[in-house]
Amino acid sequence: QSVLTQPPSVSAAPGQRVTISCSGSSSNIGNNYVSWYQQLPGTAPKLLIYDNNKRPSGIPDRFSGSKSGTSATLGITGLQTGDEAGYYCETWDSSLSAVVFGGGTKLTVL
Amino acid sequence: EVQLVESGGGLVQPGGSLRLSCAASGFTFSSYAMSWVRQAPGKGLEWVSVITGSGDTTYYADSVKGRFTISRDNSKSTLYVQMSSLRAEDTAVYYCAKAPGCSSTSCSRYYMDVWGKGTTVTVSS
Repeated sequence: QSVLTQPPSVSAAPGQRVTISCSGSSSNIGNNYVSWYQQLPGTAPKLLIYDNNKRPSGIPDRFSGSKSGTSATLGITGLQTGDEAGYYCETWDSSLSAVVFGGGTKLTVL
Repeated sequence: EVQLVESGGGLVQPGGSLRLSCAASGFTFSSYAMSWVRQAPGKGLEWVSVITGSGDTTYYADSVKGRFTISRDNSKSTLYVQMSSLRAEDTAVYYCAKAPGCSSTSCSRYYMDVWGKGTTVTVSS
């Protein structure tokens, strides 16, 4: 059971928009910054979003992040087949003094 | 080019020990916190531990506390994790990652911007 809750899977057609939710509590998302990672099959995770809504250099603006209260959301527009991957949210938990991940969401581009 | 290369993985018996290494290059190693993250077969990501740039502060996941020890040698730009009392549930790919948002005073901006390719640890008799 992960501290952060994500839907196990989402799907959408190419070119469409999808959102992935991440729910936590005041000890983690509510008072700390959220990051998002993409993990393509058989590869290491890659940072997509940090500080709730910032994109590292090289990440296209099709990817966006937002946070409200104790929840965060990753948005992906203009879906491509290459976006099929696992997506994970992550943040610091001040009560645990530990990093916590969501369980991961598998994105299928139909 | 910023790069992290893990090594030291392998097959170990339950109750055994193993030390993983992560060689860093392309950035000022001592300036950044470093982390270990693992992924069991077919499972999600699980954070293991973080150590600040100076090495003065460490944090651990409850699942490894008391069994794993994270350390670093800034003169060699290398991160380590000493794993002992290994269990079957420690079987995973272990990744090291650079964690620029974590300092000795706060990890509230925690994120991992560079990852290695991982090394596989299998705990089995």
